[in-house]
Amino acid sequence: QSALTQPPSASGSAGQSVTISCTGTSSDVGGYNYVSWYQQHPGKAPKLMIYEVNQRPSGVPDRFSGSKSGNTASLTVSGLQAEDEADYYCSSYAGFNTVVFGGGTKLTVL
Amino acid sequence: QVQLVQSGAEVKKPGASVKISCKASGYTFASHGFHWVRQAPGQRLESMGWINAGSGYTKYSQEFQGRVTITRDTSASTAYMELSSLRSEDTAVYYCARDLSWGSFDHWGQGTLVTVSS
Repeated sequence: QSALTQPPSASGSAGQSVTISCTGTSSDVGGYNYVSWYQQHPGKAPKLMIYEVNQRPSGVPDRFSGSKSGNTASLTVSGLQAEDEADYYCSSYAGFNTVVFGGGTKLTVL
Repeated sequence: QVQLVQSGAEVKKPGASVKISCKASGYTFASHGFHWVRQAPGQRLESMGWINAGSGYTKYSQEFQGRVTITRDTSASTAYMELSSLRSEDTAVYYCARDLSWGSFDHWGQGTLVTVSS
């Protein structure tokens, strides 16, 4: 399985919105509504921010939202805050209990 | 509250094996599967494999097939990941993660650093 494609970096000013894309194939992103997004701060374990394309776990601010169109999923962070600065990884179910991750996007809050 | 606590850091020589544990608490162990995910320094997350904590059924990523073995001990609420024939490229932080839904993980262990060096 190839990694999902994410831009290596993204940035936005505090208070603005930023969208991170995640492109896969019809065998993963396009084939299932099981795309997840994780936030990872340096030296920490990943934290689930979005699952099943657009569902937020309890405790995740509604500033984080997810969507999908075809083979591309997106994470939008609205009202950027300093603490949102982190690496973000997408993942997708790829059938037969396998998962593929994206290469990660470093989000900088200017 | 749900907690996943992993075993401590390991230093191994090339060719050796490493076995990492992941002890779960705060929920019914058999009700959720586990994935093992690794992250080499500065690199992306990589899925290694999955175990159904109830049945013990496993599925391994192609990249690690033949070198990885994932098991569980339901009496100890603990999942294990063993990686054999270690090489320097296996130096990474290894995480266990609990399944929430297909391909999503809602709780993660703290990570175990494995260093492979002669």
